[in-house]
Amino acid sequence: DVKVTQSSRYLVKRTGEKVFLECVQDMDHENMFWYRQDPGLGLRLIYFSYDVKMKEKGDIPEGYSVSREKKERFSLILESASTNQTSMYLCASSTRRGGLETQYFGPGTRLLVL
Amino acid sequence: AQSVTQLGSHVSVSEGALVLLRCNYSSSVPPYLFWYVQYPNQGLQLLLKYTSAATLVKGINGFEAEFKKSETSFHLTKPSAHMSDAAEYFCAVSDRYYGGSQGNLIFGKGTKLSVKP
Repeated sequence: DVKVTQSSRYLVKRTGEKVFLECVQDMDHENMFWYRQDPGLGLRLIYFSYDVKMKEKGDIPEGYSVSREKKERFSLILESASTNQTSMYLCASSTRRGGLETQYFGPGTRLLVL
Repeated sequence: AQSVTQLGSHVSVSEGALVLLRCNYSSSVPPYLFWYVQYPNQGLQLLLKYTSAATLVKGINGFEAEFKKSETSFHLTKPSAHMSDAAEYFCAVSDRYYGGSQGNLIFGKGTKLSVKP
């Protein structure tokens, strides 16, 4: 089974802090994704990566950056956290092998910025 | 731009009743389509996916979905709801056929399913 883990389930930070959210997958997937989920808005793509050291902006990259130094790990960074970044953050991974790239999700990190 | 519309942000059914969650997509070619389920305080879990092999797709937990090209729909159904089906359900389309970036998913806004005893 694919396993995608996220470093924290719940996180409380203060405005202006630098925040790191870590995601690790154990299935040698090439693709990794970061989404945020807000009530009534569904999932919105922040950043994605198709290979080590690669990154692409998604639909809402402002205020975020990412790092992919190793294939299994994809980090989301909030350079200076703001209250409007309070949200649920979901990481996902997928593989291009076999054609259809089903995304597998981690359990999510619920971030509260005070 | 491609999009996914889920009709109804909340659906409530009685235990044992039919579950019908609606999803429509915008596309001029058949896309790849997915349904995911999210239980409270958890990540998303794949329920089923359409890959053009068959229009009726069976998934886990007794769910199925039918791809209807003429209606650009991919509605999710289950004949008899169970209390454990209470969750949020997301329909998604892959942008692979739109010249998008190798299979990004575009999600609908989700439908919360409540099941009454």
